[in-house]
Amino acid sequence: GDSVTQMEGPVTLSEEAFLTINCTYTATGYPSLFWYVQYPGEGLQLLLKATKADDKGSNKGFEATYRKETTSFHLEKGSVQVSDSAVYFCALRGAGKSTFGDGTTLTVKP
Amino acid sequence: GAVVSQHPSRVICKSGTSVKIECRSLDFQATTMFWYRQFPKQSLMLMATSNEGSKATYEQGVEKDKFLINHASLTLSTLTVTSAHPEDSSFYICSAPGQGTMGTEAFFGQGTRLTVV
Repeated sequence: GDSVTQMEGPVTLSEEAFLTINCTYTATGYPSLFWYVQYPGEGLQLLLKATKADDKGSNKGFEATYRKETTSFHLEKGSVQVSDSAVYFCALRGAGKSTFGDGTTLTVKP
Repeated sequence: GAVVSQHPSRVICKSGTSVKIECRSLDFQATTMFWYRQFPKQSLMLMATSNEGSKATYEQGVEKDKFLINHASLTLSTLTVTSAHPEDSSFYICSAPGQGTMGTEAFFGQGTRLTVV
């Protein structure tokens, strides 16, 4: 079945540091790929998405490129802020339902 | 964008009682909704797929009689945790797939924090 493997956390960075959270997947067919962010005590918010190979999703300074050849969708941000502290989930959507990675907790210190 | 509203956001109940959680698609119709459970510091695990007008499809290991799902209309699905026990305490999240041009995206409710005492 479908699966998502996400870089283990937690990740602690200083403000303005560069962020990379790795994500790889296995799936049949051509899934859509997503990054979600979850703030403490809240539900999931869509951060960005890509629906086909070589698409780049971007939002709020975050970027991720759908790499079919490496089955990856790594999340990057050039300069993180304290407000980016949250849990980040990589996910794919295949035949209707979503499959999530285990989540990576990011803490950004001033 | 499309909005999925989940209610209540938090609920505390006594052991042995039942709790109903509602999931509504506010500005679109959802023939299918998904219910997830999230334990602390863990990922989301799909519990069941709710289908309007037919029975829900449960994932392996999820008790159908304990987690009752009713998809009463094209905009409402409910999850009832029956005879709740402390081990049912968790964060429950629903989602609905988008339609048409939104078809590749799933929209999530705000989640419900259930605490069974």
